[in-house]
Amino acid sequence: GAVVSQHPSRVICKSGTSVKIECRSLDFQATTMFWYRQFPKQSLMLMATSNEGSKATYEQGVEKDKFLINHASLTLSTLTVTSAHPEDSSFYICSAQQGGVVTDTQYFGPGTRLTVL
Amino acid sequence: AQSVTQLDSHVSVSEGTPVLLRCNYSSSYSPSLFWYVQHPNKGLQLLLKYTSAATLVKGINGFEAEFKKSETSFHLTKPSAHMSDAAEYFCVVSDRNTGFQKLVFGTGTRLLVSP
Repeated sequence: GAVVSQHPSRVICKSGTSVKIECRSLDFQATTMFWYRQFPKQSLMLMATSNEGSKATYEQGVEKDKFLINHASLTLSTLTVTSAHPEDSSFYICSAQQGGVVTDTQYFGPGTRLTVL
Repeated sequence: AQSVTQLDSHVSVSEGTPVLLRCNYSSSYSPSLFWYVQHPNKGLQLLLKYTSAATLVKGINGFEAEFKKSETSFHLTKPSAHMSDAAEYFCVVSDRNTGFQKLVFGTGTRLLVSP
C-alpha cells in the first residue's frame, strides 16, 4: 500500500518550453502533497507544499510563477515548470501525506529527471 | 530551525559485516526522525521513523536506529550488511514547529557493500 507514482520518469525539453509533471497517490487519498528538487549528489530540498483545493505554499527562494503547482484532487498534484531553462534541469520528486494527519509519513514517488537543452 | 548532519558522505563495508550510518540532529522541539533509503532510479523508501515512543526503533530489512537525546543522535545500524543494501541513505527531521510537515533532509550517506 501507499504507492505514489510520477509521470513522466524522464523528460527532455528545449529551453523556453513548459513541462508538466504529474504525481499520483495510487491507493490512498493525499490531502497534502509535497514537491522536492534534488541536484546531483545532493540532498532533497522542499520546493512547495500543496493542499487539495487550495493554493500551494512555496519555500523561500522558489519562484511560484515559474513552478506552478496544482492539487485539483485528493490523488493528483501537478508541477509545471514554465519557460524552462538549463538551470532548471534537476530531479524532481513528489511525496504524499496520507489522510491529512500532520504526523503521518510522507510516501515518495520515484522522481522525474528533467533535462533542459 | 531544525537541521540534520550526516557525518559521512560515503561508508564502505564488506558483505556480512555491521553497518553504522551516523546522524546528528538539531531541533528546538521534540522532533520526529526518519531514515529513508534511495536506490538508483527508485523512489525514496522509508526504513524507519521515531516519533517520541520507544527510543530504539526497528525498521525494515533488519535496520534499526536509536534516538539519543543527550547526544542529539539517531544513528542507523544493521548487524550484517547485504549486497542489496548498497544505496543512498538520508536522515530526516521534522518537528512541531512546522506542524511536522516540513521534512529537512541530511546530505545523504552512500553505502557501498563489497563482496
